[in-house]
This record gives sequence, structure tokens and C-alpha cells, in this order.
Amino acid sequence: EAGVTQSPTHLIKTRGQQATLRCSPISGHTSVYWYQQALGLGLQFLLWYDEGEERNRGNFPPRFSGRQFPNYSSELNVNALELEDSALYLCASSLVGVPNTEAFFGQGTRLTVV
Amino acid sequence: AQSVAQPEDQVNVAEGNPLTVKCTYSVSGNPYLFWYVQYPNRGLQFLLKYITGDNLVKGSYGFEAEFNKSQTSFHLKKPSALVSDSALYFCAVRADTGGFKTIFGAGTRLFVKA
Repeated sequence: EAGVTQSPTHLIKTRGQQATLRCSPISGHTSVYWYQQALGLGLQFLLWYDEGEERNRGNFPPRFSGRQFPNYSSELNVNALELEDSALYLCASSLVGVPNTEAFFGQGTRLTVV
Repeated sequence: AQSVAQPEDQVNVAEGNPLTVKCTYSVSGNPYLFWYVQYPNRGLQFLLKYITGDNLVKGSYGFEAEFNKSQTSFHLKKPSALVSDSALYFCAVRADTGGFKTIFGAGTRLFVKA
């Protein structure tokens, strides 16, 4: 069974550009989480999607947005990139309505803003 | 509001010695507690979880964790550390209320010296 897959693995953008990151959850998982991990730091919660709806949002500006598609894959968009957006962006998926199950993580997308 | 605290940024231990990585939490409702490990430039891997029942939970790679409800703690332990255990460890909590969002601690870096 395929795990959570993220693409691309690395992304280099110029300040002010837009970045699009993609995530495919484990088959059968309908919840997708996005996290930002700046270099050497912990995980900062970005967004949670479930059944195509945004369920919760972390303390990030509106230029961080996303969506979940009918097949439960998800996109994270970052507009007007800033240097401090450089980080590892991790996607995780889990079963909906089953809070006692662990989340499964992808390998991440390393975004570098220059 | 849910929160997780990992009071130590870094833990140093000699190979063969026991290790403990600390975690305390705060939730409304019953907690579901998780430990994850992250190796360099990788996503997070699930280690173990506490749902209910026995307070001592055993997980992957010889790790275990002890749930203490009165102290609201969920410390990760291993009887004999290996150099290969050196990594970043995250504690996470999810409550059975509040929409099942998973909150992660800031992470604790474990260094095991040969």
C-alpha cells in the first residue's frame, strides 16, 4: 500500500512568486493535515482538510491557502513568497472520525525562497 | 485549548544507557497521545500511541511510553539507547473533543553518544 506522497520534493522560488505543493493521502484516508517545519524548529500547524472542507487553520497569514479535491488529495498554495517561508512542508493523512489513529506523514517538500 | 510541552530541546545520553524524553499535555476531554520520530530530511514516523487501558505502551524499535493521568505526562523511554536512536522526537496529542486536530510539541533532539 502506498504511503502519503508529496510533490515536488524540492522547490526553489523567488521572493514574491507563488508556490504550489501537492499531497496524496493514503488510500481510504479523508483527512489531510499540512505542517510547516522551519529549519531546526518544531512543527507548526497550517491547515486541516477533511471531506473537501477546511476544518481548522493555524496562525498563518491568508497568503497560505489550500484545498482538498474529491479524491482527497490536497494542494497547499503560498502566495507572495517571503524569505522566511523557506521550510520543510509536511503533509499527513489520517482516517476521518477516528481520533485514536495515528497520522501518517509524507517525506515533505523542501521549499527554498531566494 | 490543547497544548503539548516538551521541556527539553535536547537530550544527551551515552549508548547503552536508558533514555527518557519528556512530554506533558493539556486537553479538554480524553487524550490520545502519540510519539513520532524524525530523521534528517525525512517525514515523521509513528512510534507508539496511548489510547486507553494499560498506562505503559510499547512501540517500535524498543521504545515505550508511560501515560500518567495525574501528572498529564507521556514520557518516552528506552532501556538501552543506540547511536541510531539519535533523531528528533515529537510528542502529539489529540482530544476526543475539539475536532480531532493533532497538536505537536516543539520536538526534542536526542543525541546518543557512542
